[in-house]
Amino acid sequence: NAGVTQTPKFQVLKTGQSMTLQCAQDMNHNSMYWYRQDPGMGLRLIYYSASEGTTDKGEVPNGYNVSRLNKREFSLRLESAAPSQTSVYFCASSEGPGQLGNTIYFGEGSWLTVV
Amino acid sequence: TQLLEQSPQFLSIQEGENLTVYCNSSSVFSSLQWYRQEPGEGPVLLVTVVTGGEVKKLKRLTFQFGDARKDSSLHITAAQPGDTGLYLCAGAPGYALNFGKGTSLLVTP
Repeated sequence: NAGVTQTPKFQVLKTGQSMTLQCAQDMNHNSMYWYRQDPGMGLRLIYYSASEGTTDKGEVPNGYNVSRLNKREFSLRLESAAPSQTSVYFCASSEGPGQLGNTIYFGEGSWLTVV
Repeated sequence: TQLLEQSPQFLSIQEGENLTVYCNSSSVFSSLQWYRQEPGEGPVLLVTVVTGGEVKKLKRLTFQFGDARKDSSLHITAAQPGDTGLYLCAGAPGYALNFGKGTSLLVTP
């Protein structure tokens, strides 16, 4: 069972470069999420997609764009990377909204360093 | 302002000890969840508590949801090295889950 798969696992970028983090889930979930995790800050929501065709900002959306390509795939793009975007990025999915107690399934994370 | 405050932030204990970690908020939640994260991996759900005052047991782990549905606790009995990890509580003020900063637990033999 693949669950949530995200690529790449590790990436080093130079300031100002762009890149896209890819995410796919095989659980037929409606909702997908991108979180970032930083020491001392916990997991913070960047963007989410409640369903195919919709995206909404989370707590820390600045500097990021997302695309819900289809029901399976949700990508995160950094247009002009900054050192402050050095973080571990997690893609996640769920059948429905978190406020209804739905389980969120996470990928293994993507370690991004911006130098 | 952090929506979900977890304490303690770090906990280092010896195998066999008991411990409790806390998750507090000023907001009311329809449910709270606890996740555990091991190094290099994503968080994995341990439990969802829904009813105020609810107690759920998962082997040596006991989860409680406060009567007012604003707080929760996780108690581990006779901790083992395999319990080492980051414990995160999560609740949804809106559509998506909001996570606390976590309690990092280290259990040494």
